[in-house]
Amino acid sequence: AQSVTQPDIHITVSEGASLELRCNYSYGATPYLFWYVQSPGQGLQLLLKYFSGDTLVQGIKGFEAEFKRSQSSFNLRKPSVHWSDAAEYFCAVGAPGNNAGNMLTFGGGTRLMVKP
Amino acid sequence: DAGVTQSPTHLIKTRGQQVTLRCSPKSGHDTVSWYQQALGQGPQFIFQYYEEEERQRGNFPDRFSGHQFPNYSSELNVNALLLGDSALYLCASSLGPGLYEQYFGPGTRLTVT
Repeated sequence: AQSVTQPDIHITVSEGASLELRCNYSYGATPYLFWYVQSPGQGLQLLLKYFSGDTLVQGIKGFEAEFKRSQSSFNLRKPSVHWSDAAEYFCAVGAPGNNAGNMLTFGGGTRLMVKP
Repeated sequence: DAGVTQSPTHLIKTRGQQVTLRCSPKSGHDTVSWYQQALGQGPQFIFQYYEEEERQRGNFPDRFSGHQFPNYSSELNVNALLLGDSALYLCASSLGPGLYEQYFGPGTRLTVT
C-alpha cells in the first residue's frame, strides 16, 4: 500500500523568502505524484503533478517540484513566497496503471504561514 | 465552465441519524470520488464512482454508501452517524477512472453532535 509523509506540520517563512516543503512517499514503483493547496474553507486546488519524464515539474503560481527516485521524495519549492501563499499544502500519490480507479493517498499536510 | 459543486455547505446532525451529501462534477467529467478530511488531517479516500458503479473503495465501513446518477452527479450517504464522522467531505471529479487529474469541490462540513 502506498503512503505519504509530510514531515513538517507547520512552516513559517518571510514574504519574499524561498520555500521548500518536503514530501516522502512509500510505493513499490514510481507513483504518480501531486501537490495540492487548500485555503481556509476551500477545496483542494492542484498545483502540479508528476507522471513521468522530466523530474523537475512546473506548476501554477510559480511553484515547482522535483521528483527524486533515490530519496522517494517530491519536494515543493518556490523561489519567492507571497503573502497569498499562506495555506495548507498536501502531497499525494496515486498508483499508475490502475484502470479500476484513481485513488489518491494524501499526506497529513503542511501549514504555511507567511510573515510580512 | 462550472467547477465541482457540492451541497449543502454545512450540516449538523445527531448521532445515529443518516445524512446525504451531493456532488455535481465539473462539466465533461464522468468520474466522481469522495474523500473524508478530518480536522487537521489530509483527505482520505472513501470510494469512486464511474458508469454508475462503485469502482474502488477505501478503508471505510459499509455505513458509507454512494450512488452515481446518469448525469454523473453523485451522492454520499452515511448511516448511523458517529461523532467521529464529523469532517469535511470532499468530492472530486475527473475524466475517466484511470486518470489522476482530479478537481475538487469546496466540500461539505458535517458536524455530528
